[in-house]
Amino acid sequence: DTGVSQNPRHKITKRGQNVTFRCDPISEHNRLYWYRQTLGQGPEFLTYFQNEAQLEKSRLLSDRFSAERPKGSFSTLEIQRTEQGDSAMYLCASSPGQGSRETQYFGPGTRLLVL
Amino acid sequence: AQSVTQLDSQVPVFEEAPVELRCNYSSSVSVYLFWYVQYPNQGLQLLLKYLSGSTLVKGINGFEAEFNKSQTSFHLRKPSVHISDTAEYFCAVRILNQGAQKLVFGQGTRLTINP
Repeated sequence: DTGVSQNPRHKITKRGQNVTFRCDPISEHNRLYWYRQTLGQGPEFLTYFQNEAQLEKSRLLSDRFSAERPKGSFSTLEIQRTEQGDSAMYLCASSPGQGSRETQYFGPGTRLLVL
Repeated sequence: AQSVTQLDSQVPVFEEAPVELRCNYSSSVSVYLFWYVQYPNQGLQLLLKYLSGSTLVKGINGFEAEFNKSQTSFHLRKPSVHISDTAEYFCAVRILNQGAQKLVFGQGTRLTINP
């Protein structure tokens, strides 16, 4: 069990650029979640997938954000035309997908800094 | 709307002293409750969870928490802390409503252990 992995771990970009993050869930986990954590705050839910289907999206996920999980395995989160307010830690989590009693396992996160 | 409040943003304690980290939630429907720990530059790790049954839940690293439905609280306790417990602690709830899978987190409590 290698755990949830995220790449890159750190990203510095200029305002207006596009960025893409990748998340690889634990093998055979059907559910995958994205959260955003700003400095001094708890994580906030962005979106979640059951296999390749995106089932829930937060209002925080503006039109500039798009998430995909094309084959039900890894997922990507893209932010277009980044703004300084997008600077945050982006966390990915996965769970087996066998009910509501299960645990979400988190990756180490991707820290984004928009200059 | 559902919310989670962690009443203390920072808690300093001396090594081997007991500690309690407070968490209150608001929800009109049933919830599952979680405590996660985040060490510097790492993702979140599950400490313990309450799903049903006994209101006293034991977790890893000697932590325990008690669910109090009447007070809508889920406080985390440890009878004797160690330097290695220095970390950020997050309380979270999952609302059992219409299949929602997201976790709603509190703002976090930074636990600092002094020698």
